[in-house]
Amino acid sequence: DSGVTQTPKHLITATGQRVTLRCSPRSGDLSVYWYQQSLDQGLQFLIQYYNGEERAKGNILERFSAQQFPDLHSELNLSSLELGDSALYFCASSVGWFGTGGSPLHFGNGTRLTVT
Amino acid sequence: AQSVSQHNHHVILSEAASLELGCNYSYGGTVNLFWYVQYPGQHLQLLLKYFSGDPLVKGIKGFEAEFIKSKFSFNLRKPSVQWSDTAEYFCAVIGNAGNMLTFGGGTRLMVKP
Repeated sequence: DSGVTQTPKHLITATGQRVTLRCSPRSGDLSVYWYQQSLDQGLQFLIQYYNGEERAKGNILERFSAQQFPDLHSELNLSSLELGDSALYFCASSVGWFGTGGSPLHFGNGTRLTVT
Repeated sequence: AQSVSQHNHHVILSEAASLELGCNYSYGGTVNLFWYVQYPGQHLQLLLKYFSGDPLVKGIKGFEAEFIKSKFSFNLRKPSVQWSDTAEYFCAVIGNAGNMLTFGGGTRLMVKP
């Protein structure tokens, strides 16, 4: 158990809909990262938050947004969903953020999103 | 921009065979390197990491990796694999000036009993 909790585990929704994925980091971790894993794109970094502030942005679509709350949990919002958004979405957390000794990421079990 | 290449997409080995998975990265400065493993249906777990010092890094479950700076490589090795090593393995890199952990495409390892 990595200590990172993601809910829900599975999500099935229709095209055009909006969903929210939730992540609780490990106790003491201030950074939260979101990754998308799909068969054709592999593991793609989406976005990172550190102590409530956005720190890094990767290949995140404009239809997607995220935030980190004062209690450090994070939510990833996906809107106007398309079939191609079907993927496994991982959340990870770490003590520091990239560039400060490269503190390792600890991953959650992921949320499997299926868009029909 | 930094990038990571894992040239072996699928590897099939018999138990007790030796394993070496290739990882090459592209980045001009100091790097931190990682290997993660994803067992079927599970989350990614850290196998080992290199920040500095001895380029031969030992991780969990008998895995080790060697950082060769001149070759921009960080290959993963295990002398004798077990059926339970069946998983997908990801190499990842972050440069010291970067703010993003970049993963390679992964290598699926199947160990036949």
